[in-house]
Amino acid sequence: RKEVEQDPGPFNVPEGATVAFNCTYSNSASQSFFWYRQDCRKEPKLLMSVYSSGNEDGRFTAQLNRASQYISLLIRDSKLSDSATYLCVVGPRQLTFGSGTQLTVLP
Amino acid sequence: NAGVTQTPKFQVLKTGQSMTLQCAQDMNHNSMYWYRQDPGMGLRLIYYSASEGTTDKGEVPNGYNVSRLNKREFSLRLESAAPSQTSVYFCASIPPAGRVDTQYFGPGTRLTVL
Repeated sequence: RKEVEQDPGPFNVPEGATVAFNCTYSNSASQSFFWYRQDCRKEPKLLMSVYSSGNEDGRFTAQLNRASQYISLLIRDSKLSDSATYLCVVGPRQLTFGSGTQLTVLP
Repeated sequence: NAGVTQTPKFQVLKTGQSMTLQCAQDMNHNSMYWYRQDPGMGLRLIYYSASEGTTDKGEVPNGYNVSRLNKREFSLRLESAAPSQTSVYFCASIPPAGRVDTQYFGPGTRLTVL
């Protein structure tokens, strides 16, 4: 079983749609949770950290469920510029990356 | 301030050849990392260096060696390249006393081993 598993995707959604990505992790000792964004053939960049109480950054909302070892990312009012691969990442110390979910926002 | 730089950007090797991937950061960061990313997969940690003069194995160290030459530079060496090492290699660093999520990634080296 992979340490971090994500929705296989790809997700193709129209502009303005709401889309949600899910992620599960196997290490119950994990303490840090993040979503990274990776554009085609580029390096990953931190999108947002995920906190126990849930957190929001503009159109992006992240949720954490420690009991179920589950993380989610919700994107509202999708933009063309949101097209990318979204990586679920967990740590206690070193980062473990999921394989990513590809999102394409269509005009 | 160039951030994290990697050379070369692209490389094609034949099986058995050796090469060194170079990484440098000009942000005075202590910790540096080497990852590989295969198609359809997330990044996997090869080696990391918590500070100058120290290196530790990550998840997939076999077939690789590293050198932390000084605080700025962290190189990754393939002594005898194999087709299974075809991948994109990313170097990353984090600032002093920084959380691990504040990793700064280089642009990557795309390596093909024939």
